[in-house]
Amino acid sequence: AQSVAQPEDQVNVAEGNPLTVKCTYSVSGNPYLFWYVQYPNRGLQFLLKYITGDNLVKGSYGFEAEFNKSQTSFHLKKPSALVSDSALYFCAVRGNTNAGKSTFGDGTTLTVKP
Amino acid sequence: DTAVSQTPKYLVTQMGNDKSIKCEQNLGHDTMYWYKQDSKKFLKIMFSYNNKELIINETVPNRFSPKSPDKAHLNLHINSLELGDSAVYFCASSQDGWDSRQFFGPGTRLTVL
Repeated sequence: AQSVAQPEDQVNVAEGNPLTVKCTYSVSGNPYLFWYVQYPNRGLQFLLKYITGDNLVKGSYGFEAEFNKSQTSFHLKKPSALVSDSALYFCAVRGNTNAGKSTFGDGTTLTVKP
Repeated sequence: DTAVSQTPKYLVTQMGNDKSIKCEQNLGHDTMYWYKQDSKKFLKIMFSYNNKELIINETVPNRFSPKSPDKAHLNLHINSLELGDSAVYFCASSQDGWDSRQFFGPGTRLTVL
């Protein structure tokens, strides 16, 4: 069975500081990894994905994520946080052996303070 | 143009009633999904259809029945609503392929009284 863990319910950072939102996964076969963001009262929006190739993936709004196969991690990062980055972030994994089902983590609430 | 739309946005109803939520996507995708987001914001997949065929059916009470009249629409019908059904329901769609991102609708907030 595939699974995703987001070990932190909440991450607080000051505006301008770097941020990291952690994600680890478990899946059979090659992992397809995604990050989505959810602003209040909105649907999820895609940020970035890792399929193959470069371990550092760049996405929307200045976010990037680093795939680490040995640690089975896919942490989301941004060099300089903005107050407007405050939202709920979901990591998701999809295996190629499970009818395309995506499993989402429990989400991490990011709060960026001015 | 909205890529994935859901109606209604809000739904307040009494226990025991039957209700439907509609979803439409104009992206030409072959796969559509229903997710439930509970009060703790946990997101769980309920169903997935590919070209009108059910491909994922998680452990969901059989009071929930998805229907896909065509590949652009995936509706969710819920019978005999219970208090625990209160949640936000999201529809999503994606192209075929393991590496495809999902496009989410704005959600339907269901409140069962």
